[in-house]
Amino acid sequence: SQTIHQWPATLVQPVGSPLSLECTVEGTSNPNLYWYRQAAGRGLQLLFYSVGIGQISSEVPQNLSASRPQDRQFILSSKKLLLSDSGFYLCAWNSGGLRVNTEAFFGQGTRLTVV
Amino acid sequence: KQEVTQIPAALSVPEGENLVLNCSFTDSAIYNLQWFRQDPGKGLTSLLLIQSSQREQTSGRLNASLDKSSGRSTLYIAASQPGDSATYLCAVRPDRGSTLGRLYFGRGTQLTVWP
Repeated sequence: SQTIHQWPATLVQPVGSPLSLECTVEGTSNPNLYWYRQAAGRGLQLLFYSVGIGQISSEVPQNLSASRPQDRQFILSSKKLLLSDSGFYLCAWNSGGLRVNTEAFFGQGTRLTVV
Repeated sequence: KQEVTQIPAALSVPEGENLVLNCSFTDSAIYNLQWFRQDPGKGLTSLLLIQSSQREQTSGRLNASLDKSSGRSTLYIAASQPGDSATYLCAVRPDRGSTLGRLYFGRGTQLTVWP
């Protein structure tokens, strides 16, 4: 069966420090991968998505970047964190290729607090 | 742009009641609709996926319906239990646009079931 791992679960970082959040998927190949952010009192916002290794698309301009060095690995990064980067970050996947009616699965999330 | 609205925002009921959570979306051009559960501080757990050609899906005490033409879905929870307490999120997957597989989320219904 497929599983998705996301770490760390919580993170407290000072303003201006770098960030690296990692997500890996097991039990599938060539998944579509997504990073969402959930801010307090707001819905989930799509940040990045990837349909393959090295292929990253950004939904909103921001202080963050994403990379996909391996088929089932998705990394969210920042060189210098801002207070506004605080939030709950969720990684998700669904089946890639031409299959469009597939279920999406989410990781357990990372609570990031920038102080 | 797709807008997803969930009503009510919060619901508090005694154990044993049958519940209806509502979700509406502005653009009926969707591949599917998915209901999720989110416990405090946790990721999203997929509950039900309804394809655009389907009218409903059932899993245990949960039943989700979809009226694509009117842009509505309902999640019915039978015989609610305290363990059902969580936030329930509705998400739609558009069938057009450039972001493959992205979901548009409502802000959720926070459900509390008390003994």
